[in-house]
Amino acid sequence: AQTVTQSQPEMSVQEAETVTLSCTYDTSESDYYLFWYKQPPSRQMILVIRQEAYKQQNATENRFSVNFQKAAKSFSLKISDSQLGDAAMYFCAYRRTRGSTLGRLYFGRGTQLTVWP
Amino acid sequence: DTGVSQDPRHKITKRGQNVTFRCDPISEHNRLYWYRQTLGQGPEFLTYFQNEAQLEKSRLLSDRFSAERPKGSFSTLEIQRTEQGDSAMYLCASSVGTAKNEKLFFGSGTQLSVL
Repeated sequence: AQTVTQSQPEMSVQEAETVTLSCTYDTSESDYYLFWYKQPPSRQMILVIRQEAYKQQNATENRFSVNFQKAAKSFSLKISDSQLGDAAMYFCAYRRTRGSTLGRLYFGRGTQLTVWP
Repeated sequence: DTGVSQDPRHKITKRGQNVTFRCDPISEHNRLYWYRQTLGQGPEFLTYFQNEAQLEKSRLLSDRFSAERPKGSFSTLEIQRTEQGDSAMYLCASSVGTAKNEKLFFGSGTQLSVL
């Protein structure tokens, strides 16, 4: 079974500073997708960034980047130049590439990020 | 494109009552998912539709739960004889595209409280 672990229930960062959120996962598969989602108080889950396991290059989206360590099954999210609007619950998620569960995401428990002005 | 719409936003019910939630996906999205999120947890998959066909159900979806997607458009999730353990946020998501480029768009959820 796929499990996703986020060991930091809460994190905080000063505005304009950098913060890293941790995520580890367990799988026996070699090809899969990893995601970071943001859930603000509005409750709507918003995709932040995605990584395909067969790509060694770490994904980046503007101020958001990941450190994908496939052998260690680690997938951390770095937020640079943090902004007040980044405050939210962040979820790490895993998705298989084949089989009947295609499109089914496995989420971690989340990390609540607070951004201080 | 108005996004994924869920109704109602909040629902309070008494134990034993039936409740029904509605999800309107983004038009032209052929895939629709239901997830459940309890306090302090990430969302958990419940069920998946491709067009009108329900292709997968999680073991979390007990016999009291039923989901439909008539005509492959909106979807409903019904919970019969609600229990306090059903209290959670029910999220709907829709998508289109191939496995490689599929992107889920989530609604804002329906928060269910069972008293």
